[in-house]
Amino acid sequence: AQSVAQPEDQVNVAEGNPLTVKCTYSVSGNPYLFWYVQYPNRGLQFLLKYITGDNLVKGSYGFEAEFNKSQTSFHLKKPSALVSDSALYFCAVRDINSGNTPLVFGKGTRLSVIA
Amino acid sequence: SAVISQKPSRDICQRGTSLTIQCQVDSQVTMMFWYRQQPGQSLTLIATANQGSEATYESGFVIDKFPISRPNLTFSTLTVSNMSPEDSSIYLCSVGTSSTGELFFGEGSRLTVL
Repeated sequence: AQSVAQPEDQVNVAEGNPLTVKCTYSVSGNPYLFWYVQYPNRGLQFLLKYITGDNLVKGSYGFEAEFNKSQTSFHLKKPSALVSDSALYFCAVRDINSGNTPLVFGKGTRLSVIA
Repeated sequence: SAVISQKPSRDICQRGTSLTIQCQVDSQVTMMFWYRQQPGQSLTLIATANQGSEATYESGFVIDKFPISRPNLTFSTLTVSNMSPEDSSIYLCSVGTSSTGELFFGEGSRLTVL
């Protein structure tokens, strides 16, 4: 079975500081990994994904994430946080052996960037 | 990317009634799913909408409560039947075109059951 853990319900960071939102995963095979952001009263917006290749992937709005197979992690990062980054962030996984299946989501981490 | 239109965007419903949510995609898609997001919670998969056949439901969700139709590759409906306050949630339509690709989401339908 696939699963995702986001150990932090809430992350607070000052504007201009680097931010990290943590994610670990569990799959039987190799993973496809995704990050989404949800602003208030909106649907989910795709930020970035890891499929294969370079462990550091870059996505929308200056976000990046690093795939670490030994630690089964896929933490989301940004060098300098903006107040407008405040939102709910979801990590998701799909096992590459599972075909066209839905994503399994973590519980979400609420990011608050303080001016 | 795919553009997804969900209707209604929100509704307030009475206990015991049913509501049908529509999901229209601007292009043909292979995969279509329905998720539920209860207040302050993560996304829980309700079912996979299969084109031309019965939907595949996840544990805890049944066809009598959440009937789903998918007549073609661009459209699906989810009905929430005999609603109770516990059904108050955001219902999200999600689509994808390949196993390596991301899923795209509609804006969601926010249901409040009184």
